[in-house]
Amino acid sequence: DIQMTQSPSSLSASVGDRVTITCRASQSISTYLNWYQQKPGKAPNLLIYAASSLQSGVPSRFSGSGSGTDFTLTISSLQPEDFATYYCQHTYNTPLTFGGGTKVEIK
Amino acid sequence: QVQLQESGPGLVKPSETLSLTCTVSGGSISSYYWSWIRQPPGKALEWIGYIYYNGNTNYNPSLKSRVTISVDTSKNQFSLRLSSVTAADTAVYYCARYSVSYPYYFDYWGQGTLVTVSS
Repeated sequence: DIQMTQSPSSLSASVGDRVTITCRASQSISTYLNWYQQKPGKAPNLLIYAASSLQSGVPSRFSGSGSGTDFTLTISSLQPEDFATYYCQHTYNTPLTFGGGTKVEIK
Repeated sequence: QVQLQESGPGLVKPSETLSLTCTVSGGSISSYYWSWIRQPPGKALEWIGYIYYNGNTNYNPSLKSRVTISVDTSKNQFSLRLSSVTAADTAVYYCARYSVSYPYYFDYWGQGTLVTVSS
């Protein structure tokens, strides 16, 4: 199985901050990597697919980059509605696996 | 707009079988993979498996011996059965749509249903 490791597991940031979350795969997965946002009590919501493509309706302050084993999700200017937990997920093969999550909290 | 809705018992006894159904509305169940994903309280997401509308399945090896996913195209529904449950199977269970060709992603999700395993 491909293991997905996210860092940090949590972070505190202020509105307007630039935030970067990292995801590392245990083997190369090309760009078979998605990012999801999950708010408490809600289902995950797709933000980024294929490592860097923005899902329709997602604000442009979200961006993704990377290929191979190292990937990044960046929020260019953190907004109040962005406080949530973020998960990466690979789609290179099965079993599909998710990272452990990064909780973004208010500073 | 595609919508998914999970239904089923919220409490299951240890050693019994967990059964959930996902009803898809706003679109046909054909031409996509339909998946089950779970999330233990306070923990990360775990993919359980998916089914194609023709009945082909793919399961997570960690659960494969206990999992059955089936589809009823006439009702636009698919279902999950997880046998011999223990407290470790307590989780929010989500159904979700998965694309069949690149780029692959889960784009529509149900709201999730909490299943507690307890006597």
